[in-house]
Amino acid sequence: SQQGEEDPQALSIQEGENATMNCSYKTSINNLQWYRQNSGRGLVHLILIRSNEREKHSGRLRVTLDTSKKSSSLLITASRAADTASYFCASGPQGGSEKLVFGKGTKLTVNP
Amino acid sequence: GAVVSQHPSWVICKSGTSVKIECRSLDFQATTMFWYRQFPKQSLMLMATSNEGSKATYEQGVEKDKFLINHASLTLSTLTVTSAHPEDSSFYICSAEVTGDNQPQHFGDGTRLSIL
Repeated sequence: SQQGEEDPQALSIQEGENATMNCSYKTSINNLQWYRQNSGRGLVHLILIRSNEREKHSGRLRVTLDTSKKSSSLLITASRAADTASYFCASGPQGGSEKLVFGKGTKLTVNP
Repeated sequence: GAVVSQHPSWVICKSGTSVKIECRSLDFQATTMFWYRQFPKQSLMLMATSNEGSKATYEQGVEKDKFLINHASLTLSTLTVTSAHPEDSSFYICSAEVTGDNQPQHFGDGTRLSIL
């Protein structure tokens, strides 16, 4: 399977704390994307980091990419109850393929 | 911008029925759309890549005669689950990609299909 791995599978924190999720992938990539999915809904794109970038910020989100280790992390700072969702990383492979390869996801619960 | 609409959001039907799910890009043109299936508490599994004006490309293990895909325009792709059975019950999600390098996919809200 080409599917990546994410850890932890589940994370429960208190409001105001930071949440860090990690993702590993298997093949060379053009980019690495992070998505959020609220229960029973579609995916919302959060951030895309290109293979030649090492770090990217968007609001309370910080994504890092280490292509030598084939890994990425998503940090959510000052978490809120509304951040409760499942978070998926998805790698955009090289070679012209448009297909994304999704990780298994991390279910984040932020307790008020 | 880049809104994808998926309809219906929820359908319950009897075994043997065929069910059509629509995926529309509302404010952009999408030459390529993707159909995924998601089981409870699991990740997305790509079923097929839908290409406007040509045949869809199915992933290994996905029956093309079971899951018919039509992408007749630059803003609409449809997935028809033919002769659905209870094992086809699942959450189906479509996505569309804005043309260009390093563009994210934009997802519909999904369709929960329940076959009785």
